[in-house]
Amino acid sequence: AQSVTQLDSHVSVSEGTPVLLRCNYSSSYSPSLFWYVQHPNKGLQLLLKYTSAATLVKGINGFEAEFKKSETSFHLTKPSAHMSDAAEYFCVVSEGYNKLIFGAGTRLAVHP
Amino acid sequence: DVKVTQSSRYLVKRTGEKVFLECVQDMDHENMFWYRQDPGLGLRLIYFSYDVKMKEKGDIPEGYSVSREKKERFSLILESASTNQTSMYLCASSFSVNQPQHFGDGTRLSIL
Repeated sequence: AQSVTQLDSHVSVSEGTPVLLRCNYSSSYSPSLFWYVQHPNKGLQLLLKYTSAATLVKGINGFEAEFKKSETSFHLTKPSAHMSDAAEYFCVVSEGYNKLIFGAGTRLAVHP
Repeated sequence: DVKVTQSSRYLVKRTGEKVFLECVQDMDHENMFWYRQDPGLGLRLIYFSYDVKMKEKGDIPEGYSVSREKKERFSLILESASTNQTSMYLCASSFSVNQPQHFGDGTRLSIL
């Protein structure tokens, strides 16, 4: 069965410094992977998706993620954090027919 | 842009009541989903539908039912609300298998 582990429940960075949100997955076949962001009292918004094309995936708002099959990881990065990046981030793996498996989420705080 | 609209942002109901949560999408998506979101647990799938009048149980269907009479509308029903159903409920839709899901802003439901 597929699963997703987000290695940090909370991450705190200063504005202008790099962001790293870590995600490991387990999958019995070639997965589809996604990162979503959720701002307070809002639904989830797709940041980026990996579907077996390029291993480095660029998303919205300057975020990107690298698929590393050997490490079963799909970490999310951004070179320079902005105050508006403060939100909860979810790593998601697709289990096939319409089934998404969500990680527990990482709450990102950005300090001035 | 895909628009997924949930009829209520906040809802307060009493135990034993029958509760209806409504969701409408405007992109002719085949698939629609209902999740509940609880702190530390991420999103958990309650039910999904891959066509009109078709439904499949997700991971936590107990105490819930769904209705999809029209392609654009997917309703979640709490047959007899209980306090442990107090949660954030999120509706989503997608075009096809392994495609990203698009989320509504959520309904925060409190059962007193």
